[in-house]
Amino acid sequence: QVQLQESGPGLVKPSETLSLICTVSGGSITNHYWSWIRQPPGKGLEWIGHIYYTGDTNYNPSLKSRVTISLDTSWDQFSLHLTSVTAADTAVYYCARRSTYYSNSGDYFWFEAWGQGTLVSVSS
Amino acid sequence: DIQMTQSPSSLSASLGDRLTITCRASQSISSYLNWYQQRPGKAPKVLIYGASNLEGGVPSRFSGSGSGTDFTLTISSLQPEDSATYYCQQSYSTPWTFGQGTKVEI
Repeated sequence: QVQLQESGPGLVKPSETLSLICTVSGGSITNHYWSWIRQPPGKGLEWIGHIYYTGDTNYNPSLKSRVTISLDTSWDQFSLHLTSVTAADTAVYYCARRSTYYSNSGDYFWFEAWGQGTLVSVSS
Repeated sequence: DIQMTQSPSSLSASLGDRLTITCRASQSISSYLNWYQQRPGKAPKVLIYGASNLEGGVPSRFSGSGSGTDFTLTISSLQPEDSATYYCQQSYSTPWTFGQGTKVEI
């Protein structure tokens, strides 16, 4: 069973870059889409973006100018870089694997596996 | 972006109650709708995908229905471990978006 684990600094200064790594174990990083999702304290969920094992990416337009997601297949890891952070970027950050069900009526996607989440606070 | 709106935002129910949560999309999303359960301090866990398909290992008291813009999550007989926040999420088009959540207290 695949497991995901986020790691990185818990505190980032305003205007600096937030960097997190997600390590995948118990499964291959190939043939899957890998996402970052965040949740501000006491609030709802926001999809940040995803990367396919080929390196293709798709970002939420609300964050696109500041986000980079990259992949390191040799280490079964993918990472998130968010530049020019502000207090509004304070959140629990989750990494997740997308699952796909192919059917005659369409292709269905959902987030089937999640990391435990890591709280990143933006403060001076 | 497709906006997802859930109702109610919170509710209080009793053990054994039948409970329904609704989710409305700002445009038609066919059956591309997922439901998640999030317990305090934990990551979300998928319950239902494709509007009505039960994820493996999820108790059969959970069910989903709907298509187009209106969807429901039903818990047929509420159990203590169902105390959580529930989110809908559309997978029709990126950016994938979530509802604001429905907090269920027992």
